[in-house]
Amino acid sequence: AQRVTQPEKLLSVFKGAPVELKCNYSYSGSPELFWYVQYSRQRLQLLLRHISRESIKGFTADLNKGETSFHLKKPFAQEEDSAMYYCALWMDSSYKLIFGSGTRLLVRP
Amino acid sequence: DTEVTQTPKHLVMGMTNKKSLKCEQHMGHRAMYWYKQKAKKPPELMFVYSYEKLSINESVPSRFSPECPNSSLLNLHLHALQPEDSALYLCASSRTGTGGGGYTFGSGTRLTVV
Repeated sequence: AQRVTQPEKLLSVFKGAPVELKCNYSYSGSPELFWYVQYSRQRLQLLLRHISRESIKGFTADLNKGETSFHLKKPFAQEEDSAMYYCALWMDSSYKLIFGSGTRLLVRP
Repeated sequence: DTEVTQTPKHLVMGMTNKKSLKCEQHMGHRAMYWYKQKAKKPPELMFVYSYEKLSINESVPSRFSPECPNSSLLNLHLHALQPEDSALYLCASSRTGTGGGGYTFGSGTRLTVV
């Protein structure tokens, strides 16, 4: 069955430390993976998509089909990165976007 | 205009009330979505409209009734809800309904059923 797994509910790091938010997926079709971010009291917004291979706010994510992973990374965390991060999978077989359970990133000063 | 606008932001309704949630976008997106998000949980898909036609209903109870009057508007009509339906209801849109491309989300309507 298709699913998105984010194993960490909470990730706490100090400012300037590297960050890696883990995401694994299970899908037999051709996946499109996304990272969405929800800052406190703000709307859910698209952060990254794997097909763009871009870096947004210093974050990058690489799709690893062999390991079925799409981990989100940033070399030096900033306090303003504190937010809820959701990994999402677009399924071309059903035209649905499903979300992982989310990881709350807390960056301490 | 690059936003999805949802009204109202907050809604309190009794179990016998009828109310509607409204969602609007003017980005020319042809797919629109309703998601439900409970506290500390990810969004869960409820309905998908593609080119103003309902294409996906995720077995949502009939007390939730979606409507897409035109390509810019999406409504969710509520009737005889239960307290467990209290949640944040999110609307989203995307360029088409047949590709990922990333969704644009509204800020949501926080619904409380009393």
